[in-house]
Parts: sequence; C-alpha cells; structure tokens
Amino acid sequence: QVQLVESGGGLVQPGGSLRLSCAASGFPFTDYYMTWIRQAPGKGLEWLSYISGSASMIHYADSVKGRFTISRDNAKNSLYLQMNSLRAEDTAVYYCARHSALDYHYFMDVWGKGTTVIVSS
Amino acid sequence: DIQMTQSPSSLSASVTDRVTITCRASQSISNYLNWYQQKPGEAPKLLIYAASSLQSGVPLRFSGSGSGTDFTLTIRSLQPEDFATYYCQQSYSFPLTFGGGTKVEI
Repeated sequence: QVQLVESGGGLVQPGGSLRLSCAASGFPFTDYYMTWIRQAPGKGLEWLSYISGSASMIHYADSVKGRFTISRDNAKNSLYLQMNSLRAEDTAVYYCARHSALDYHYFMDVWGKGTTVIVSS
Repeated sequence: DIQMTQSPSSLSASVTDRVTITCRASQSISNYLNWYQQKPGEAPKLLIYAASSLQSGVPLRFSGSGSGTDFTLTIRSLQPEDFATYYCQQSYSFPLTFGGGTKVEI
C-alpha cells in the first residue's frame, strides 16, 4: 500500500526549530521526486520545497529559502524538512507529497495526512 | 513567479448540477496544469493532471480542459461527495504555485 506518514509537528516558540519527517512505504522511494506543501489555518495550499530522487536537484519557495532545508534518506525511505527561525506565519499543516511524472508532466499523486506546526509563545 | 487565479472563490450548487471552475495563469503554461480536490480535515487528492488527463480512480464526471493561460475543471453531475474545495496548480516552472481555491457548497 502506497503511503506517506508525516511526523514531528508540534508547538514551538518563535525563532525556534523543528524537524519534520515523512516516512514512505509501498513504492520505490528513490525513484520519486518528493515535495513539502503547507496549509495555514483556513487558507490555501502553499508549495514549499522539492527534492529529486538523488537529492541532486532542490528548489525552495522564497518564503522559506534560507530558513528551511529539505533532505532525504533513501536508505530509510524518509523525507525531512528542517525548519529554523520559525515565525508565527509558519503555523500550518505540513504535508509531504510524492511527485509522479508522465511525459514531462509532474503532479503530486500521493499525499500524507499532514502534521501540524504551531509557532507561538 | 506564475500567479494562478481561480474563479469563483466559492459557489453554491445542488446535486446533479453541472459545475465549472476556471483557473487562469499569469503567463502561458502550456498544459502544465493539475487539479486537486480537498475535503475538510483531509489531504488534497489529485483529480486531473496535464490539464485534461484523469487520474486513475477519479470518476468520469470530472474533466479538465484548457491550454496556455486559461483552464477549466468541470463536474458533469455534482454528487454529494463532490462538495469540497478545488485547487489548480501549475507545474510549468518553479516555484510551483496553486490557485486560491474554489469552495463548492450546497
């Protein structure tokens, strides 16, 4: 069964750090690009970061560039998001998602259920 | 960055209605456009990729069309389980961007 399970969310003070994890199962993890997306309370979806299967290609949204770091451990079938210098506006549900491709079209076809991050003093 | 604008932001409809949601890109994105459905408290679900290709398992009442800057998601006969928020997303270039969402309500 293809599955993504996020963990690591919680309450953190402004300026603090948190590391999110995403455990993948049911598919050859190394073969897939992976991405992090978040959704602030009552708001829409915001793409954050993207990493290729070998980690040779990484992209970030400007809103998190320099503060967040995406990484993966293919031996552990795991994706990570290290979040530093957290702000109140980083409060959101964080989703990991798998990118599949067909004829150079990329789309997020498998999503985790999300993990909640609350940045507050 | 490519801006994605959806309209309307919300709509009211009834079961069996035909519903159309539009998405406009700030520049041409060819057909690099995906549609997702999100129900309250759930993760988004892929409906349509490459503007018009139906994801496996998605009911045939959903369809997508468009190319360039203007795209449409159509639900042919709205069912109770279709009441949700729908998002378009461009995969033409980084940063990947989503539309603001369209909430389909009763």
